[in-house]
Amino acid sequence: QLQLQESGPGLVKPSETLSLTCSVSGDSINTNKYFWAWIRQPPGKGLQWIGSVYHSGNTYYNPSLDSRVTISGDTSKNQFSLTLSSLTAADTAVYFCASLLGGSYFFDSWGQGSLVTVSS
Amino acid sequence: NFMLTQPHSVSESPGKTVTISCTRSGGSIGSNYVQWYQQRPGGSPTTLIYEDNQRPSGVPDRFSGFIDRSSNSASLTISGLESEDEADYYCQSYNDNNAVVFGGGTKLTVL
Repeated sequence: QLQLQESGPGLVKPSETLSLTCSVSGDSINTNKYFWAWIRQPPGKGLQWIGSVYHSGNTYYNPSLDSRVTISGDTSKNQFSLTLSSLTAADTAVYFCASLLGGSYFFDSWGQGSLVTVSS
Repeated sequence: NFMLTQPHSVSESPGKTVTISCTRSGGSIGSNYVQWYQQRPGGSPTTLIYEDNQRPSGVPDRFSGFIDRSSNSASLTISGLESEDEADYYCQSYNDNNAVVFGGGTKLTVL
Protein backbone atom coordinates (compact mmCIF):
# COMPACT_ATOMS: atom_id res chain seq x y z
CA GLN A 1 0.00 0.00 0.00
CA LEU A 2 1.44 3.32 -1.09
CA GLN A 3 1.84 6.12 1.41
CA LEU A 4 2.59 9.70 0.41
CA GLN A 5 3.46 12.63 2.66
CA GLU A 6 3.85 16.28 1.66
CA SER A 7 6.32 18.60 3.36
CA GLY A 8 7.17 22.25 2.91
CA PRO A 9 6.51 25.77 4.20
CA GLY A 10 3.04 26.79 5.27
CA LEU A 11 3.58 30.47 4.49
CA VAL A 12 5.27 32.02 1.47
CA LYS A 13 5.56 35.66 0.41
CA PRO A 14 4.12 37.01 -2.85
CA SER A 15 6.50 36.89 -5.83
CA GLU A 16 8.58 34.17 -4.14
CA THR A 17 8.93 30.51 -5.15
CA LEU A 18 7.18 27.61 -3.41
CA SER A 19 8.99 24.30 -2.96
CA LEU A 20 7.15 21.20 -1.76
CA THR A 21 8.36 17.63 -1.42
CA CYS A 22 6.40 14.38 -1.44
CA SER A 23 7.94 11.39 0.31
CA VAL A 24 6.78 8.03 -1.03
CA SER A 25 6.79 4.68 0.75
CA GLY A 26 5.45 1.34 -0.40
CA ASP A 27 6.92 1.48 -3.90
CA SER A 28 9.79 3.06 -5.79
CA ILE A 29 9.17 6.27 -7.73
CA ASN A 30 11.26 4.61 -10.42
CA THR A 31 8.43 2.20 -11.17
CA ASN A 32 6.73 2.39 -14.56
CA LYS A 33 3.39 1.70 -12.87
CA TYR A 34 2.71 5.28 -11.78
CA PHE A 35 2.95 8.90 -12.69
CA TRP A 36 3.66 11.09 -9.64
CA ALA A 37 1.40 14.10 -9.46
CA TRP A 38 0.61 17.34 -7.68
CA ILE A 39 -2.95 18.61 -7.29
CA ARG A 40 -4.11 21.71 -5.43
CA GLN A 41 -7.36 22.93 -3.93
CA PRO A 42 -7.92 26.63 -3.08
CA PRO A 43 -10.02 27.17 0.06
CA GLY A 44 -13.65 26.34 -0.65
CA LYS A 45 -12.94 25.47 -4.29
CA GLY A 46 -12.39 22.40 -6.44
CA LEU A 47 -9.41 20.27 -7.37
CA GLN A 48 -6.88 21.46 -9.92
CA TRP A 49 -4.25 19.17 -11.43
CA ILE A 50 -0.88 20.93 -11.44
CA GLY A 51 1.26 18.36 -13.22
CA SER A 52 2.85 14.92 -13.24
CA VAL A 53 6.26 13.31 -13.63
CA TYR A 54 6.96 9.82 -14.95
CA HIS A 55 9.89 7.57 -14.03
CA SER A 56 11.50 8.45 -17.36
CA GLY A 57 11.70 12.07 -16.23
CA ASN A 58 9.02 13.15 -18.68
CA THR A 59 6.80 15.84 -17.23
CA TYR A 60 3.27 16.97 -18.01
CA TYR A 61 1.90 20.29 -16.77
CA ASN A 62 -1.42 22.08 -16.60
CA PRO A 63 -1.24 24.63 -19.45
CA SER A 64 -2.51 27.36 -17.13
CA LEU A 65 0.52 26.88 -14.83
CA ASP A 66 3.11 25.60 -17.30
CA SER A 67 5.30 28.72 -17.28
CA ARG A 68 5.69 28.66 -13.46
CA VAL A 69 5.85 24.95 -12.59
CA THR A 70 8.61 22.37 -12.32
CA ILE A 71 8.07 18.81 -11.06
CA SER A 72 11.00 16.44 -10.62
CA GLY A 73 11.87 13.16 -8.94
CA ASP A 74 14.75 12.14 -6.65
CA THR A 75 15.10 8.38 -6.77
CA SER A 76 17.86 8.35 -4.12
CA LYS A 77 15.38 9.69 -1.56
CA ASN A 78 12.24 8.17 -3.15
CA GLN A 79 10.72 11.65 -3.28
CA PHE A 80 9.32 13.96 -5.90
CA SER A 81 9.01 17.71 -5.68
CA LEU A 82 7.09 20.73 -6.90
CA THR A 83 8.38 24.25 -7.47
CA LEU A 84 5.95 27.05 -8.31
CA SER A 85 7.36 30.48 -9.01
CA SER A 86 6.03 34.06 -9.00
CA LEU A 87 3.46 33.34 -6.32
CA THR A 88 0.33 35.42 -5.78
CA ALA A 89 -2.54 35.16 -3.31
CA ALA A 90 -4.38 33.07 -5.90
CA ASP A 91 -1.87 30.28 -5.29
CA THR A 92 -3.06 29.89 -1.69
CA ALA A 93 -4.34 26.32 -1.52
CA VAL A 94 -4.02 22.87 -0.03
CA TYR A 95 -1.42 21.06 -2.12
CA PHE A 96 -1.78 17.29 -2.47
CA CYS A 97 0.68 14.82 -3.90
CA ALA A 98 -0.75 11.64 -5.39
CA SER A 99 0.05 8.55 -7.41
CA LEU A 100 -1.57 8.39 -10.83
CA LEU A 101 -1.93 4.84 -12.10
CA GLY A 102 -0.74 4.57 -15.69
CA GLY A 103 -3.17 3.08 -18.18
CA SER A 104 -6.23 3.78 -16.06
CA TYR A 105 -5.18 7.32 -15.18
CA PHE A 106 -6.78 7.45 -11.77
CA PHE A 107 -5.27 8.67 -8.52
CA ASP A 108 -5.12 5.64 -6.28
CA SER A 109 -3.22 7.13 -3.32
CA TRP A 110 -3.13 10.68 -1.95
CA GLY A 111 -1.12 12.51 0.66
CA GLN A 112 -2.96 14.24 3.47
CA GLY A 113 -2.41 17.65 1.89
CA SER A 114 -0.33 20.66 2.87
CA LEU A 115 -1.87 24.11 3.28
CA VAL A 116 0.22 26.84 1.67
CA THR A 117 -0.72 30.45 2.28
CA VAL A 118 0.74 33.21 0.11
CA SER A 119 0.84 36.40 2.12
CA SER A 120 3.26 39.13 3.08
CA ASN B 1 -7.88 20.84 -23.93
CA PHE B 2 -11.33 19.83 -22.67
CA MET B 3 -13.63 20.58 -19.73
CA LEU B 4 -15.77 18.46 -17.44
CA THR B 5 -18.93 20.15 -16.12
CA GLN B 6 -20.76 19.00 -13.01
CA PRO B 7 -23.79 20.43 -11.22
CA HIS B 8 -22.71 22.63 -8.33
CA SER B 9 -24.95 20.83 -5.85
CA VAL B 10 -27.53 18.07 -5.49
CA SER B 11 -29.66 16.98 -2.56
CA GLU B 12 -31.78 13.97 -1.71
CA SER B 13 -33.27 12.19 1.27
CA PRO B 14 -31.78 9.19 3.06
CA GLY B 15 -32.56 5.87 1.41
CA LYS B 16 -33.19 7.50 -1.97
CA THR B 17 -31.07 7.43 -5.13
CA VAL B 18 -29.16 10.37 -6.56
CA THR B 19 -27.26 10.77 -9.81
CA ILE B 20 -24.44 13.25 -10.45
CA SER B 21 -23.59 14.08 -14.06
CA CYS B 22 -20.25 15.00 -15.61
CA THR B 23 -20.44 16.38 -19.15
CA ARG B 24 -17.38 16.54 -21.36
CA SER B 25 -16.95 19.48 -23.72
CA GLY B 26 -14.18 19.06 -26.28
CA GLY B 27 -13.73 15.48 -27.33
CA SER B 28 -15.67 12.28 -26.73
CA ILE B 29 -16.48 11.05 -23.24
CA GLY B 30 -15.69 7.54 -24.41
CA SER B 31 -12.17 8.42 -25.56
CA ASN B 32 -10.62 8.28 -22.10
CA TYR B 33 -11.60 6.66 -18.81
CA VAL B 34 -13.62 8.65 -16.28
CA GLN B 35 -13.09 8.29 -12.53
CA TRP B 36 -15.05 9.55 -9.54
CA TYR B 37 -13.74 10.69 -6.16
CA GLN B 38 -15.39 11.47 -2.85
CA GLN B 39 -13.97 14.16 -0.61
CA ARG B 40 -15.24 14.75 2.89
CA PRO B 41 -14.53 18.10 4.63
CA GLY B 42 -10.90 18.39 5.63
CA GLY B 43 -9.95 15.12 3.98
CA SER B 44 -8.15 13.89 0.91
CA PRO B 45 -10.16 12.57 -2.04
CA THR B 46 -10.78 8.83 -2.23
CA THR B 47 -11.59 6.83 -5.34
CA LEU B 48 -15.17 5.61 -5.75
CA ILE B 49 -15.11 4.62 -9.42
CA TYR B 50 -12.26 4.13 -11.88
CA GLU B 51 -12.21 3.13 -15.55
CA ASP B 52 -15.77 4.45 -16.02
CA ASN B 53 -17.54 1.83 -13.89
CA GLN B 54 -15.07 -0.13 -11.76
CA ARG B 55 -15.18 -0.01 -7.97
CA PRO B 56 -12.02 -0.36 -5.87
CA SER B 57 -12.20 -3.01 -3.19
CA GLY B 58 -13.99 -1.67 -0.15
CA VAL B 59 -16.32 0.67 -2.04
CA PRO B 60 -19.96 -0.42 -1.56
CA ASP B 61 -21.98 -1.45 -4.60
CA ARG B 62 -24.34 1.44 -3.76
CA PHE B 63 -21.92 3.48 -5.90
CA SER B 64 -21.99 2.93 -9.65
CA GLY B 65 -20.59 4.68 -12.71
CA PHE B 66 -21.99 4.92 -16.22
CA ILE B 67 -20.97 6.43 -19.55
CA ASP B 68 -23.60 7.88 -21.89
CA ARG B 69 -22.06 8.54 -25.27
CA SER B 70 -25.28 10.08 -26.59
CA SER B 71 -25.01 12.98 -24.14
CA ASN B 72 -21.21 12.88 -23.98
CA SER B 73 -21.41 12.53 -20.24
CA ALA B 74 -20.55 10.28 -17.34
CA SER B 75 -22.67 9.79 -14.26
CA LEU B 76 -22.24 8.61 -10.69
CA THR B 77 -25.28 7.02 -9.07
CA ILE B 78 -25.53 6.55 -5.33
CA SER B 79 -28.39 4.38 -4.13
CA GLY B 80 -29.65 3.87 -0.59
CA LEU B 81 -28.32 7.27 0.46
CA GLU B 82 -26.80 7.48 3.92
CA SER B 83 -25.91 10.55 5.94
CA GLU B 84 -22.23 9.67 5.62
CA ASP B 85 -22.51 10.10 1.83
CA GLU B 86 -22.75 13.85 2.36
CA ALA B 87 -19.56 15.08 0.73
CA ASP B 88 -18.09 16.65 -2.41
CA TYR B 89 -17.82 14.47 -5.51
CA TYR B 90 -15.43 15.02 -8.42
CA CYS B 91 -15.18 13.42 -11.83
CA GLN B 92 -11.79 13.23 -13.54
CA SER B 93 -10.48 12.25 -16.94
CA TYR B 94 -7.43 12.91 -19.09
CA ASN B 95 -6.36 13.40 -22.70
CA ASP B 96 -3.95 11.62 -24.98
CA ASN B 97 -1.16 14.00 -23.94
CA ASN B 98 -1.37 12.78 -20.33
CA ALA B 99 -3.04 16.00 -19.16
CA VAL B 100 -5.52 15.46 -16.31
CA VAL B 101 -8.80 17.34 -15.94
CA PHE B 102 -11.14 17.46 -12.94
CA GLY B 103 -14.77 18.47 -12.98
CA GLY B 104 -15.67 21.43 -10.79
CA GLY B 105 -17.15 19.21 -8.09
CA THR B 106 -20.67 18.57 -6.79
CA LYS B 107 -21.73 19.06 -3.20
CA LEU B 108 -24.13 16.32 -2.11
CA THR B 109 -26.49 17.14 0.73
CA VAL B 110 -28.38 14.30 2.36
CA LEU B 111 -31.54 15.95 3.66
